[in-house]
Amino acid sequence: GNSVTQMEGPVTLSEEAFLTINCTYTATGYPSLFWYVQYPGEGLQLLLKATKADDKGSNKGFEATYRKETTSFHLEKGSVQVSDSAVYFCALSERSFQKLVFGTGTRLLVSP
Amino acid sequence: DAGVIQSPRHEVTEMGQEVTLRCKPISGHDYLFWYRQTMMRGLELLIYFNNNVPIDDSGMPEDRFSAKMPNASFSTLKIQPSEPRDSAVYFCASSLQGSGNTIYFGEGSWLTVV
Repeated sequence: GNSVTQMEGPVTLSEEAFLTINCTYTATGYPSLFWYVQYPGEGLQLLLKATKADDKGSNKGFEATYRKETTSFHLEKGSVQVSDSAVYFCALSERSFQKLVFGTGTRLLVSP
Repeated sequence: DAGVIQSPRHEVTEMGQEVTLRCKPISGHDYLFWYRQTMMRGLELLIYFNNNVPIDDSGMPEDRFSAKMPNASFSTLKIQPSEPRDSAVYFCASSLQGSGNTIYFGEGSWLTVV
């Protein structure tokens, strides 16, 4: 079946540090890939997405590239801020289906 | 545009009581999802609907849980009777086919069963 594996958290960084959160997936077809972010006490918000191989999704300084050869979709940001502290979820959905399969989430803590 | 609207935002109830969670999806969306989030199990898909019809309810934990979607703008998730292990955040989400499978979440209903 389809699955998503994320790196364990928490990830603790100082402000302005470089961020990478690893995500790999297993899928039978050609999924769309997503990163969602959840701030404390809130619901999930779509951060970025990519729908085919080699696509790069980007938003708010975050980027992720759909790598079919390594089945990965790692999230990166060049300089994190305290306000980026949240839980980040990698997810996939098969093209013909709407439902998302989520990873376990990675908590990011950014200190001043 | 209004997002997915859930109510109540917070509920504390006693074991054995009936709990009803409500959701209004984004207007025009044809898919609706109910997810549950706990520390132990993460995000779990409970059930989803397409054009008001339940498509997959394999994630519903047991018969105490039921979900309905009487029309395109309203859905309920009911737990009867509730148990302490049902304490979780319940998210409703919606999407539109052909939109790149982007799913939009509500802010969640935080349920505590004591």
